[in-house]
Amino acid sequence: QVQLQESGPGLVKPSETLSLTCGVSGYSISSDSHWGWIRQPPEMGPEWIGTMYHSGSTYYNPSLKSRVTISVDTSKNQFSLKLTSVTAADTAVYHCARRPSGRNWFDPWGQGILVTVSS
Amino acid sequence: QSALTQPRSVSGSPGQSVTISCTGTSSDIGYYNYVSWYQQHPGKAPKLMIYDVSKRPSGVPDRFSGSKSGNTASLTISGLQAEDEADYYCCSDAGSYTYVFGTGTKVTVL
Repeated sequence: QVQLQESGPGLVKPSETLSLTCGVSGYSISSDSHWGWIRQPPEMGPEWIGTMYHSGSTYYNPSLKSRVTISVDTSKNQFSLKLTSVTAADTAVYHCARRPSGRNWFDPWGQGILVTVSS
Repeated sequence: QSALTQPRSVSGSPGQSVTISCTGTSSDIGYYNYVSWYQQHPGKAPKLMIYDVSKRPSGVPDRFSGSKSGNTASLTISGLQAEDEADYYCCSDAGSYTYVFGTGTKVTVL
């Protein structure tokens, strides 16, 4: 059974870089899946951030593309998110998720980690 | 990419049916048959309930059903049960391997 778990700092200062990692268990990250990040601002719906295939192909939300990098570490079976120049608007619960290749849904999702942007 | 529009809340008594709408545009819901729905209980990870507009993953009760007409997708919960009380989100393929989610609907079981 695939399980995902986010980790990283829960507090980031404005203008700094948000860095999160998603550990994958029960499934090889090199298998036929895309790996992505989705965030949920307080009291709002989810926002798709981007996804990456283990080979390196990346796809980002156009509104965040200039600030986002998703990378995969196959040796550790994990993938990461970096979001630069953060502001209070980036405060959200950040989830990692799997998108099976050739499919257009996300399953499973990680529990999520709250990241607050504040000085 | 603009968020898909959902009603803020819907409610129903046990045993009744409720329908949640999800309105997009001709560039997302209206163009692709790739609408998915997620259920989220407080403090929990979202759970896939419907994919490809109307298909149910293994283990999802058949009282959950999905449909689409034009730029609007819908999720219907028939025979509402107490455990169905949760937030529900729709999601659509928006082209070029990008995705857009809905604003979310809180389902209350009266």
